[in-house]
Amino acid sequence: GIQVEQSPPDLILQEGANSTLRCNFSDSVNNLQWFHQNPWGQLINLFYIPSGTKQNGRLSATTVATERYSLLYISSSQTTDSGVYFCAVGDRGSTLGRLYFGRGTQLTVWP
Amino acid sequence: NAGVTQTPKFQVLKTGQSMTLQCAQDMNHEYMSWYRQDPGMGLRLIHYSVGAGITDQGEVPNGYNVSRSTTEDFPLRLLSAAPSQTSVYFCASSRGRQTVSSYNEQFFGPGTRLTVL
Repeated sequence: GIQVEQSPPDLILQEGANSTLRCNFSDSVNNLQWFHQNPWGQLINLFYIPSGTKQNGRLSATTVATERYSLLYISSSQTTDSGVYFCAVGDRGSTLGRLYFGRGTQLTVWP
Repeated sequence: NAGVTQTPKFQVLKTGQSMTLQCAQDMNHEYMSWYRQDPGMGLRLIHYSVGAGITDQGEVPNGYNVSRSTTEDFPLRLLSAAPSQTSVYFCASSRGRQTVSSYNEQFFGPGTRLTVL
């Protein structure tokens, strides 16, 4: 299956700082999603972004499919941004809908 | 819409017991799947279904059974629980047609935390 690597594995920030999370993948994709797993374990959909750029408030994401990476930007971070951020991709060659997950980036935002 | 719902939220089993984790969605999604999440790892696919009556195995299917008799429901059965199945289980669904890109977006339930003693 497709390999998904996320970096950095851990990130510690002061409130108000900006950050960039990266997701590299090993093959062509037909789906790329970013999720936030909050401290209660819930997976929150952030972006569905197999290509291009999207913005939602303080968060934005860019996927460069031809170079097989995606970036998630968090600006003016808040303590509520803490949690694990996952990148997941769907392989063009595999059964529709199947997602492969990276190991995540653990983000901690201090007040 | 309630989205994707899962029951129970928490469960403790003894080794060898069986149980069924329930998953339902009210979005008329064709594609449904089960993942497990272990500490320090991303989610791994257990089983999936592309429609009623059609199921297949994912990366880690051993010890689990599924069936899909309706579009809405996709239960996961543990036949004889083992400590290695202690994990958090997530159910997900999507509209599922690749020809329409946005239909691939997956939505996850709140999870079931299972402990096997």
